Amino acid sequence: DAKTTQPPSMDCAEGRAANLPCNHSTISGNEYVYWYRQIHSQGPQYIIHGLKNNETNEMASLIITEDRKSSTLILPHATLRDTAVYYCIVRVGGGSNYKLTFGKGTLLTVNP
Amino acid sequence: DAGVIQSPRHEVTEMGQEVTLRCKPISGHNSLFWYRQTMMRGLELLIYFNNNVPIDDSGMPEDRFSAKMPNASFSTLKIQPSEPRDSAVYFCASGGPDNYGYTFGSGTRLTVV
Repeated sequence: DAKTTQPPSMDCAEGRAANLPCNHSTISGNEYVYWYRQIHSQGPQYIIHGLKNNETNEMASLIITEDRKSSTLILPHATLRDTAVYYCIVRVGGGSNYKLTFGKGTLLTVNP
Repeated sequence: DAGVIQSPRHEVTEMGQEVTLRCKPISGHNSLFWYRQTMMRGLELLIYFNNNVPIDDSGMPEDRFSAKMPNASFSTLKIQPSEPRDSAVYFCASGGPDNYGYTFGSGTRLTVV
């Protein structure tokens, strides 16, 4: 699976949009981009995933560049409860017979 | 849906003792994963099963660790004998046949003294 690069930490003001970047320059054509987050002491939580089109759900939006070498997770109106470590993961898609490899992620701190 | 259920939530044991961690995946999910998390090494995949069959156990640190999945609704991770360096939070996750993400349990915090 392709490796990803994320900033170790970011800050965001409550109510503002949080934009978390991820570089995955060695991504292959059949690899998806997944985002998870881990709130302190809890298990990781799935947020969103995409292949090449931008995606949006009730939690966040995922913007993938046209060359697919980078992506941005957008939390449109960050709250204090969004403070967590956010993981960007690239993996081969399709079915449930796969594995996810977590890196160090980005610690997002939402400030009042 | 109760989600992925892990037990116990906390375990404190003495070095050399056997430890068994348990996981009940979400009904209908056919993949199950065991992860370990420490401050030093982050989240590490230990082993994963698909349709109750172990697919990749390359992350299992050594022979002291073993995992089983006797049926679709239950899995165990056993450490025998336990050592202080095994202290960590152990997460179980399950995945369904669609292309969505896994669901993780709340974890078991293991302390070996």
